[in-house]
Amino acid sequence: EIVLTQSPGTLSLSPGERATLSCRASQSVSNSYLAWYQQKPGQAPRLLIYGASSRATGIPDRFSGSGSGTDFTLTIGRLEPEDFAVYYCQQYGTSPRTFGQGTKVEIK
Amino acid sequence: QVQLVQSGAEVKKPGASVKVSCKASGYKFTAYYMHWVRQAPGQGPEWMGWLNPDSGGTNYAQEFQGRVTMTGDTSISTAYMELTSLTSDDTATYYCARDLGLRGFDYWGQGTLVTVSS
Repeated sequence: EIVLTQSPGTLSLSPGERATLSCRASQSVSNSYLAWYQQKPGQAPRLLIYGASSRATGIPDRFSGSGSGTDFTLTIGRLEPEDFAVYYCQQYGTSPRTFGQGTKVEIK
Repeated sequence: QVQLVQSGAEVKKPGASVKVSCKASGYKFTAYYMHWVRQAPGQGPEWMGWLNPDSGGTNYAQEFQGRVTMTGDTSISTAYMELTSLTSDDTATYYCARDLGLRGFDYWGQGTLVTVSS
């Protein structure tokens, strides 16, 4: 099983600032099949990024993903008020399709 | 538009079973795998397995082998997830999610809260 470790656990930032979230895998993620999701309280996760760097339909271009192998990054260029949420990475190249434990982006 | 609508919240006693439904609309049900993911309170998501609605084929996470069954009814475009021998550790929100074919899970149901309590 591929274990995904996200850091930091919590990121305290102000609107307009840049957010950098990390996701490290215990072994190489096949074909960079790595996705990022955003989740707000009481809602289902929302797909932001797939294939490590491709934005899902309708996702603003302030969200960008990068990385390969075992190290991946989600960057939010300039935080908007609606971006404060929990973010999860997920690898879907190998079964079981594991998730990270999440990074909470909170208002400073 | 694509929608996944799940059945309502459930309260079960330890040892009981629960069956959650997920009705798909707005796309061809048999064209995409359906996954089930659960999330315990305050925790990250946990993948449970997938259903191929076209063939009925399944793949379950080892943790749930022997306790989970995923099925589909193509006549009503509905997927089901049944979990047996419930314990308090199974208290969670259960989601169905459409697999966009190696591009992540693009649509999710609204979630079904299952509470296991004596």
